Amino acid sequence: KQEVTQIPAALSVPEGENLVLNCSFTDSAIYNLQWFRQDPGKGLTSLLLIQSSQREQTSGRLNASLDKSSGRSTLYIAASQPGDSATYLCAAVMDSNYQLIWGAGTKLIIKP
Amino acid sequence: DGGITQSPKYLFRKEGQNVTLSCEQNLNHDAMYWYRQDPGQGLRLIYYSQIVNDFQKGDIAEGYSVSREKKESFPLTVTSAQKNPTAFYLCASSIGQGTPLGEQFFGPGTRLTVL
Repeated sequence: KQEVTQIPAALSVPEGENLVLNCSFTDSAIYNLQWFRQDPGKGLTSLLLIQSSQREQTSGRLNASLDKSSGRSTLYIAASQPGDSATYLCAAVMDSNYQLIWGAGTKLIIKP
Repeated sequence: DGGITQSPKYLFRKEGQNVTLSCEQNLNHDAMYWYRQDPGQGLRLIYYSQIVNDFQKGDIAEGYSVSREKKESFPLTVTSAQKNPTAFYLCASSIGQGTPLGEQFFGPGTRLTVL
């Protein structure tokens, strides 16, 4: 069964720290992987989309990497701010069936 | 501004009632999706549509129905057959037909509560 796992489920860090969120997938044959942000009671905002041929994507203070051989993607957030507090979800499209498989998310709290 | 709108934001359903959730997009996207989100779980796909007048069941379609009469609209009906409908419902769209290959864009969601 194809699975996407995000550990930890929750993370709390002081403001200003650089941090890494993890996303692991069981099937290395992915087509692309997308990172989203969700604020409480809101919809999802797309942050970064990485194609399988890419190693990383950057947007402002965010950098997402993809390592298919190890079945892992990371979202790096530089100089964290309280406004970064949200739940971060990753989702992978699998090559075999083009299904989008979702992780359960990491709830991030940035303490002022 | 281009985007996806969902209405209502909050919806309350009595036992035995059917309710319809609205989803409209002006992004000119071909593909649209409905997801259900429960606390502590990943999103689960209910239905998706890759083109007008065509749609496919997702992982948890039982108790739900959809229609796709217009490119811009993809309403979801939660029927009385859905035994545990209390959840947060998210509509999404992506460009292109065929498969969910493109970047997905989401609406603000509808929270459905069964009374």
